[in-house]
Amino acid sequence: QVQLQESGPGLVKPSQTLSLSCTVSGGSLSSGVSYWSWIRQHPRKGLEWIGYVSNSGSAYYNPSLSSRLSISVDTSKNQISLKLNSVTTADTAVYFCARVEREGGNYYFHYWGQGTLVTVSS
Amino acid sequence: DIQMTQSPSTLSASVGDRVTITCRATQSISTYLSWYQQKPGKAPKLLIYGASRLQSGVPSRFSGSGSGTDFTLTISSLQPEDFATYYCQQSFSTLFLTFGGGTKVEIK
Repeated sequence: QVQLQESGPGLVKPSQTLSLSCTVSGGSLSSGVSYWSWIRQHPRKGLEWIGYVSNSGSAYYNPSLSSRLSISVDTSKNQISLKLNSVTTADTAVYFCARVEREGGNYYFHYWGQGTLVTVSS
Repeated sequence: DIQMTQSPSTLSASVGDRVTITCRATQSISTYLSWYQQKPGKAPKLLIYGASRLQSGVPSRFSGSGSGTDFTLTISSLQPEDFATYYCQQSFSTLFLTFGGGTKVEIK
């Protein structure tokens, strides 16, 4: 059973960098081909796909965030990382990591972390 | 980007009701559509992928249909644990995955 756990600061100051990690257990990031995603949810709002990364390090980003965004994988730690630069209050959200399931062209999310709230405030 | 529009945004229903939620894409997405259920304070739960394929362990009262631009999620007989918010998500554009705005199913 794959489990994901997000971690990182719950409070970030405006203009600084938001950094989160997602630790994967129940499976190795080194085996096979896998994709891992970050998704966020603004307070009382819907879901927004941030981007995803393969376990080989190829990353794909939401165009609206790509200029500020970096998603990477550390197979030695079994972790996926997210860095979002120059944050504003609009980046306040619950951030989820999830494994991307790919089947016949469908990309969907079966395994999710429980989410971590990041507040951008001075 | 492909935008996904769900309707209604809120739905009031009673236990035992048949409930239908609609998701419309701004362009054809074939059957590259998934549905999720989210309860307050929890991560979304996958219900359906490929427009109509029921995820293992999901009750059979949930079903999905549609192709192209119009899709539906149906709950055949609403149960107390089904009161939640439901989201659709397209993956026709694999480089820009997008979700619908959500449909909240409330107790009538």
